[in-house]
Amino acid sequence: QLQLQESGPGLLKPSQTLSLTCTVSGSSIRSSSYYWGWIRQPPGKGLEWIGAVYYSGSTYDNPSLKSRVTVSVDTSKNQFSLEVISVTAADTGVYYCVRLYHDSAGYYWFDSWGQGTLVTVSS
Amino acid sequence: DIVMTQSPDSLDVSLGERATIHCKTSQSVSPGSYSRRHLAWYQQRPKQPPKLLIYWASTRVSGVPDRFSGSGSGTDFTLTISSLQAEDVAVYYCQQYYTTPLTFGGGTKVEIK
Repeated sequence: QLQLQESGPGLLKPSQTLSLTCTVSGSSIRSSSYYWGWIRQPPGKGLEWIGAVYYSGSTYDNPSLKSRVTVSVDTSKNQFSLEVISVTAADTGVYYCVRLYHDSAGYYWFDSWGQGTLVTVSS
Repeated sequence: DIVMTQSPDSLDVSLGERATIHCKTSQSVSPGSYSRRHLAWYQQRPKQPPKLLIYWASTRVSGVPDRFSGSGSGTDFTLTISSLQAEDVAVYYCQQYYTTPLTFGGGTKVEIK
């Protein structure tokens, strides 16, 4: 049974770098059918797709985050990670790691989600 | 980006009654083949991560009760809960996967009347 578990600091100051890791268990991150990604949810608000990575290292980032985001993968540890530089209070929210179904025709739906981790940016 | 607009923002429904949630996309997410309607629905119960309910606009995920159904095409889609149960209290989101960036609707909160 697939499990995704986020880990990382929960409190940051403005201008710092947000770094989160997602550990995948119950499935190999090397599956050809999936990207592995991040979605965030500001308190009391909706969902925003941040970015995703394939096991080969190929990535897609949401342009709305203006190149502040890096998503990477470590296949030897069955993990993938998120970095967001120069954080502000607007980056506060619950960050979910997710599995994204994918094939040669495109990206599809998010079929598995971690429990989420709250990241707060405050001085 | 494709903008997703859900309505209503919230919905109070009696147990056993029907709940209907609408999702409108700013451009068509189902050109050509009717079967390729690039829209998914998620359920987020309180204090839980979202859970995929439906993809291709009307295909239920295995294990999702058949009281949940999806319909629509083009730019207008609907999620229907035919007979609301207590465990269906949640926020429901639509998501398009026709183009990147993948985008979500703002959510519809369903509560018991």
